[in-house]
Amino acid sequence: QSVLTQPPSASGTPGQRVTISCSGSTSNIGSNYVYWYQQLPGTAPKLLICRNDQRPSGVPDRFSGSKSGTSASLAISGLRTEDEADYYCAAWDDSLYVFGTGTKVTVL
Amino acid sequence: EVQLVESGGGLVKPGGSLRLSCTASGFTFSNAWMTWVRQAPGKGLEWVGRIKSKDDDGTTDYAAPVKGRFTTSRDDSKNTLYLQMNGLKTEDTAVYYCTTDRPGGELLYYWGQGTLVTVSS
Repeated sequence: QSVLTQPPSASGTPGQRVTISCSGSTSNIGSNYVYWYQQLPGTAPKLLICRNDQRPSGVPDRFSGSKSGTSASLAISGLRTEDEADYYCAAWDDSLYVFGTGTKVTVL
Repeated sequence: EVQLVESGGGLVKPGGSLRLSCTASGFTFSNAWMTWVRQAPGKGLEWVGRIKSKDDDGTTDYAAPVKGRFTTSRDDSKNTLYLQMNGLKTEDTAVYYCTTDRPGGELLYYWGQGTLVTVSS
């Protein structure tokens, strides 16, 4: 069972802003970086955000990450149909890497 | 171009064993920390375990559900990562991904296509 909790679903219309939360504890988010992954249907995950708020090259600036205390958030602004996917937060917890429960984003 | 190609998946009975392989190319494999992640059908991602590079002592860490049953190892001469899975349970049924980091703190940046392991009688 994951120690990082995300809402199971989120949705928005094209152009809207969608925010996904990730709740953890002092042993993971509270003391380590947060990472976000996007998984399109039928494909391997893709790193979207590293070190709380850094975007790897090639990731659109519509995606942004933030962290406060033992929680983190991923925001998608200017939502597009191709953003429909599953999103996972992740963080180190001692020597183990833990993923969030995942959030399915639907573009209405 | 970085490539990670998993193989070795298949159908196995509960209690059985299976060895997965991940062949890497396009980067210096011996310097890389390699990780296994799995995803049960219709479920979320689950970190399975990791092996450090030999220069960083080559140690391994495992998630609680697989500790004592799964072992990851590496053959740097063959650019290949392995996952030996013993005492398989039905709940181990999943797509198993091999993944590694990109320098600069980009954890689990490169991923293979995954290999499906089905544990069923």
